[in-house]
Amino acid sequence: SQQGEEDPQALSIQEGENATMNCSYKTSINNLQWYRQNSGRGLVHLILIRSNEREKHSGRLRVTLDTSKKSSSLLITASRAADTASYFCATESSRDDKIIFGKGTRLHILP
Amino acid sequence: DAGITQSPRHKVTETGTPVTLRCHQTENHRYMYWYRQDPGHGLRLIHYSYGVKDTDKGEVSDGYSVSRSKTEDFLLTLESATSSQTSVYFCAISGTSGAHYNEQFFGPGTRLTVL
Repeated sequence: SQQGEEDPQALSIQEGENATMNCSYKTSINNLQWYRQNSGRGLVHLILIRSNEREKHSGRLRVTLDTSKKSSSLLITASRAADTASYFCATESSRDDKIIFGKGTRLHILP
Repeated sequence: DAGITQSPRHKVTETGTPVTLRCHQTENHRYMYWYRQDPGHGLRLIHYSYGVKDTDKGEVSDGYSVSRSKTEDFLLTLESATSSQTSVYFCAISGTSGAHYNEQFFGPGTRLTVL
């Protein structure tokens, strides 16, 4: 399975701090995406990074991709209470274009 | 928000009964997906469609069937529901042009309980 695996499974930080979560995968990919899920809601797309990209920014989000290590990281800077959610990585296989989601990281921002 | 709805939003049914979940989109997206989400497993793909009447299996397709007779509707059917199919089901769509081609938009989910 090329399922992405997020690390850590859960993370609690103080508001204002930076949050970093990681995703590892097993096979070659076309791209990797990060999604956010608030409790009881559907997933919301955050950012997509292609296999030929190394870093991408969107607002307070910074995503890196290291294809040699088959890993990605999502950094949320200056965290806010509204960032409390679960975060999922999703990899698109370069072999069959199928997208597989990881199990997610639960982020809790403490006031 | 992408125009994607799911119905019903909640359903309780008994083992052995058939159940159909509906996903409806107003975005004319080509791809539609059905996922289930369970604690400890994340999101797992059940079936997906890449066009009208074109569908394929995902990683957990056993016990499920799908149909897509119109671009806007993607139906998920549990022919004979089992307790192991108790889950939250999400529909997603993708397929706009350009840089957002791979981005998936998710519906609000359907919580299904099989007693």
